Amino acid sequence: EPEVTQTPSHQVTQMGQEVILRCVPISNHLYFYWYRQILGQKVEFLVSFYNNEISEKSEIFDDQFSVERPDGSNFTLKIRSTKLEDSAMYFCASSAAGGNSPLHFGNGTRLTVT
Amino acid sequence: GDSVTQMEGPVTLSEEAFLTINCTYTATGYPSLFWYVQYPGEGLQLLLKATKADDKGSNKGFEATYRKETTSFHLEKGSVQVSDSAVYFCALRYTGNQFYFGTGTSLTVIP
Repeated sequence: EPEVTQTPSHQVTQMGQEVILRCVPISNHLYFYWYRQILGQKVEFLVSFYNNEISEKSEIFDDQFSVERPDGSNFTLKIRSTKLEDSAMYFCASSAAGGNSPLHFGNGTRLTVT
Repeated sequence: GDSVTQMEGPVTLSEEAFLTINCTYTATGYPSLFWYVQYPGEGLQLLLKATKADDKGSNKGFEATYRKETTSFHLEKGSVQVSDSAVYFCALRYTGNQFYFGTGTSLTVIP
């Protein structure tokens, strides 16, 4: 079964550094998402992406965050200047369509900001 | 706004016990409802879904019925196994592309 893959599985960075989290969504999917989960807390929506542009974003997704689909397969999340509170598990997801289509998640990247 | 409230954990059950994890939602209109499962060290996997009132989603012995009158989508399994130990998330999708997730309920099944 096709999978969403994310790299790296764990990223450690110093406060103020830029990080790029990478995702390869399922190949025929059209909608792409980033979610994050701070340890022990709710899974929070960050951003959705469709047709090469952001379709929705949450309050968490401020100017420090950006997303890109640089080619036909990758979908990246960049955090420009990381803060301690950015430490979380970041999940990429994709879906074939909108409406009732389920999300398919990757295994996540654990980001630790020191 | 749209939201999901699910039963707090952790839940610990003996093998073959009956499982219920409660989930209620707040949404205008008729969202689609989902249960996702997260096994240790893995991402969220779709367990089951229901897209309209009175639909029953089922998979791997788990079931949940979309109850519009009580705005609920409780997850049930008649006989849990050790391999069902995981975190379970209730979610809804309504307008736009956003999924709204509950806080997750951790289940541990002991032999």
